[in-house]
Amino acid sequence: GAGVSQSPSNKVTEKGKDVELRCDPISGHTALYWYRQSLGQGLEFLIYFQGNSAPDKSGLPSDRFSAERTGGSVSTLTIQRTQQEDSAVYLCASTWGGLYEQYFGPGTRLTVT
Amino acid sequence: DAKTTQPPSMDCAEGRAANLPCNHSTISGNEYVYWYRQIHSQGPQYIIHGLKNNETNEMASLIITEDRKSSTLILPHATLRDTAVYYCIAFSYGNKLVFGAGTILRVKS
Repeated sequence: GAGVSQSPSNKVTEKGKDVELRCDPISGHTALYWYRQSLGQGLEFLIYFQGNSAPDKSGLPSDRFSAERTGGSVSTLTIQRTQQEDSAVYLCASTWGGLYEQYFGPGTRLTVT
Repeated sequence: DAKTTQPPSMDCAEGRAANLPCNHSTISGNEYVYWYRQIHSQGPQYIIHGLKNNETNEMASLIITEDRKSSTLILPHATLRDTAVYYCIAFSYGNKLVFGAGTILRVKS
């Protein structure tokens, strides 16, 4: 079946602009994560959605970052007033939740100029 | 979640077993040990997980010490395609999966 998909695959934006990154999880998966990975660095947790529970936003680096998950499926990560330090690969993962493994998408490479 | 400690890098000869250690001395009773890997420019990939008993699947084996303070991921016959960053994570139900720095495994011919 289809895996996790993310769009766009690449995004170049000017400093100060807003961007939206999309994640389509595997159908039926109840949990969804966003991570970011700067060049040569490890994965940095951003936000976690589990079913209808309030999302865990503890990893969002600033109030310029927000995310929503509509209808328990598609998720959008929004970065307002982008800064150069926001440049990274943004990865989305979905899972059945609980102890099930996460399935990762290919990521969106964001470059802020 | 319990903190895990891994060596920053390891080398392995192609065709030999790769043994990747992980220390998790503060792991709690309900935390599982998960392993993921990330091949260059790709998203991470799940490998295996376990609680107390040793586990084996088509990709790898996981050996967990009796006191659960450490574990070893074994790739029985490493290939060049196994070159990746390997992450060991202690994870329990209801918590979020958080990745550390991992171990860079370089498989050399």
